[in-house]
Amino acid sequence: GAGVSQSPRYKVAKRGQDVALRCDPISGHVSLFWYQQALGQGPEFLTYFQNEAQLDKSGLPSDRFFAERPEGSVSTLKIQRTQQEDSAVYLCASSPGQGRDNEQFFGPGTRLTVL
Amino acid sequence: AQKVTQAQTEISVVEKEDVTLDCVYETRDTTYYLFWYKQPPSGELVFLIRRNSFDEQNEISGRYSWNFQKSTSSFNFTITASQVVDSAVYFCALRPSYNTDKLIFGTGTRLQVFP
Repeated sequence: GAGVSQSPRYKVAKRGQDVALRCDPISGHVSLFWYQQALGQGPEFLTYFQNEAQLDKSGLPSDRFFAERPEGSVSTLKIQRTQQEDSAVYLCASSPGQGRDNEQFFGPGTRLTVL
Repeated sequence: AQKVTQAQTEISVVEKEDVTLDCVYETRDTTYYLFWYKQPPSGELVFLIRRNSFDEQNEISGRYSWNFQKSTSSFNFTITASQVVDSAVYFCALRPSYNTDKLIFGTGTRLQVFP
C-alpha cells in the first residue's frame, strides 16, 4: 500500500527559472490538495482537485502558479519565473472522496529553494 | 474569519511528563471539523484525530487525549507520560463547512521531549 509520493524531494532553482513538482496520490483517491509550507509555519492551502476538475484555486499566490491533474490521478504544480519568496515545502495530500470528514493523507513534500 | 491559533510556539518537557498543546479556532459555521496532525522531522504530516462540531465527547487513544469545548472554541491535545518519540511539530487544523474541503492550519507547536 503505497502512500502519497512526491518528486523531486528537493529542488534548487535559480531565480527566474520554471519548476514542476509532481504528486502521485494514493490509488483511487478522488480528491487531491496542494499546500505550501514556509519555514516555521503551518501549511497553507493552494488548490484542490476532485478527479480532474480544479474546484478551488483561491490559495494560489499569483498567476505564476499553475496546477493540473489532467487524468484525475497524478498532479503537477508548476511555478513560472520563480522568486525567492517561493522557497518553501510544497505538500500534496489526497483523500478517498468528497466529504468533509475524509482524512487527508499527506506526502513527504518537495522542498524548493530559490537562489 | 476562519482561523486557528496555536499560541505555544515551542514546549520542552522531560520524558514521562504530561503535556497539553492548546488550539483555539474561529469560525462562523455551525458545522465544521477539527483535526490534529503530527509532523516528525521527516516532514510528512501524520493524521492523529478528526472531530466534528456536533461531537463534544472527549476522546482517548492510548497516551493521547483530546478535549473539545465549543464554549471556548478550543480543541486541546494532551500527551500523557510523554516519550522521546513524541518529539515533533503538532498542527491543529479546521475544515469549515461552507467552503471546499481545504484545511486551515495553525502555526504549529514544536514539542521536544528530553530523556
